Amino acid sequence: DAGVIQSPRHEVTEMGQEVTLRCKPISGHNSLFWYRQTMMRGLELLIYFNNNVPIDDSGMPEDRFSAKMPNASFSTLKIQPSEPRDSAVYFCASSLAGSSYNEQFFGPGTRLTVL
Amino acid sequence: AQRVTQPEKLLSVFKGAPVELKCNYSYSGSPELFWYVQYSRQRLQLLLRHISRESIKGFTADLNKGETSFHLKKPFAQEEDSAMYYCALGFQGAQKLVFGQGTRLTINP
Repeated sequence: DAGVIQSPRHEVTEMGQEVTLRCKPISGHNSLFWYRQTMMRGLELLIYFNNNVPIDDSGMPEDRFSAKMPNASFSTLKIQPSEPRDSAVYFCASSLAGSSYNEQFFGPGTRLTVL
Repeated sequence: AQRVTQPEKLLSVFKGAPVELKCNYSYSGSPELFWYVQYSRQRLQLLLRHISRESIKGFTADLNKGETSFHLKKPFAQEEDSAMYYCALGFQGAQKLVFGQGTRLTINP
């Protein structure tokens, strides 16, 4: 298993553009998490899904951010319009809810730069 | 509100010396605590969790509810321990994790 897959690995865009980050969780996992990592705020949970259903989106910073999980093997995080302060590393993680201790497995991250 | 504090952003020790990475948490419920680690050019991964009371790569961590702490310790540091370490608090059935700011540990030869 290749683990959690994220694309793209790096994204550079201009302010105002739409950005879409993609994630493929580990096959068989039923929980998916989106995190954002910045120097100022560290690693923050944005939203998580159980069985493709959003459970907690309290960490989503504002309406410019949206996340979807149309099926068990794919999720997107969209920022529209993007702003320079959105520059960060975005991580996706997945887990098998109900398994021993709900260990989360992280992807390699997408480094987003908004100019 | 749930919060995790790692007071040291950077920690540097010599090989063979003891290591302690500090973690304090704030949570009114029954906490589940984890340590995650990110080695250079690798993914963030689980190191250990308090509920299993295990030792991984020589590291241990004891949950102290009185002091609301979950410090990570290793008696003799090795160069391969150099990494970024994150303490995390789990709730909502440990589905939701709140991370500390992380401590970058450097082991000097």
